[in-house]
Amino acid sequence: EPEVTQTPSHQVTQMGQEVILRCVPISNHLYFYWYRQILGQKVEFLVSFYNNEISEKSEIFDDQFSVERPDGSNFTLKIRSTKLEDSAMYFCASSAGARTEAFFGQGTRLTVV
Amino acid sequence: GIQVEQSPPDLILQEGANSTLRCNFSDSVNNLQWFHQNPWGQLINLFYIPSGTKQNGRLSATTVATERYSLLYISSSQTTDSGVYFCARQGGSEKLVFGKGTKLTVNP
Repeated sequence: EPEVTQTPSHQVTQMGQEVILRCVPISNHLYFYWYRQILGQKVEFLVSFYNNEISEKSEIFDDQFSVERPDGSNFTLKIRSTKLEDSAMYFCASSAGARTEAFFGQGTRLTVV
Repeated sequence: GIQVEQSPPDLILQEGANSTLRCNFSDSVNNLQWFHQNPWGQLINLFYIPSGTKQNGRLSATTVATERYSLLYISSSQTTDSGVYFCARQGGSEKLVFGKGTKLTVNP
């Protein structure tokens, strides 16, 4: 069964460092998303991406965040200068259409120290 | 803004018991999904159910879009059902808005 895969599963980084979280969406999907979940809290939307551009972003997704689809299979989230409050589980998701079922990856747990 | 409210926030059951989890939303819905977050943090798709009723084994879900709620039924609960159950709705935009979840603990 097709699935969304994310790497790495865990990442520890020092405050101020750049991190890149990687995702391989389901191959025939056209819409890609990043969400995050701070420990013990609900899942929050960060950004959606379609047709090689950002289609929607939340207030959380400020200038330190960027997304990219560098090739036909990968979808990345870059955090330029990490802060302690960026520590969270980051989920990538994809869907075939704008309002169809979204499938989530297993998440990357980011810890900023 | 868009509100998604889940109840109860916490639920403790004995193995074999049945339960109903509720999700209320404040606006019309194009997409509603139920997820199970397992102890490893993974979000497992349970149902994509913008309206109507679906069943999958011991789980079933019903969404009444006109009354803005969805229900998740778990029958004959097992310890492996423990975790957090999230509902998430999608309205006029592409993003899913999640509720705060129901934390389910099933004791042997």
